[in-house]
Amino acid sequence: AQSVTQLGSHVSVSEGALVLLRCNYSSSVPPYLFWYVQYPNQGLQLLLKYTSAATLVKGINGFEAEFKKSETSFHLTKPSAHMSDAAEYFCAVSELRGNNRLAFGKGNQVVVIP
Amino acid sequence: DGGITQSPKYLFRKEGQNVTLSCEQNLNHDAMYWYRQDPGQGLRLIYYSQIVNDFQKGDIAEGYSVSREKKESFPLTVTSAQKNPTAFYLCASNSGLFGETQYFGPGTRLLVL
Repeated sequence: AQSVTQLGSHVSVSEGALVLLRCNYSSSVPPYLFWYVQYPNQGLQLLLKYTSAATLVKGINGFEAEFKKSETSFHLTKPSAHMSDAAEYFCAVSELRGNNRLAFGKGNQVVVIP
Repeated sequence: DGGITQSPKYLFRKEGQNVTLSCEQNLNHDAMYWYRQDPGQGLRLIYYSQIVNDFQKGDIAEGYSVSREKKESFPLTVTSAQKNPTAFYLCASNSGLFGETQYFGPGTRLLVL
């Protein structure tokens, strides 16, 4: 089964600094990959999605992610952190069981330091 | 506006009680999903349904039950057999096609009295 690894449950970043959240996946075939953001006590909102059209994917709120097949990675970045980026971020991969299930990583809680 | 609604926002369960969480979507999606979220554990799939009158167990179905009698509705019942029900429950939906984005509702927080 497909799986996703996100290291570092809590990530602190200074306002204006680079945000980098790492995601590694396991899949025997090219996957669909997703990054979602969750604000406190809310549902998940899609940030961006990789569907094999382009390896560099741009999303909302200035985030982007690069698919690297050789590294089985899909890391999320934002050049300059804003206070409003404080949230939890989840990486997910579509499972290949013909049922469109998603396998989620454990998430990264991002804290932005003023 | 199209979207997914979940109710109630907060739900309290007494010992031995069954409670039902509501999930409704007006996106005309075929597939619907229920996830449980616990701190530091990500989202875990409880049940999913790809079509009306059909549903499958996810990874943590024990102590839960669902029904899918209408396309737009997918209620989740937390039964008394679920010994640790305190969690944030999220409902999602999509077209059911492989790779399609899942769209999430705002969630229901279940607490045990």
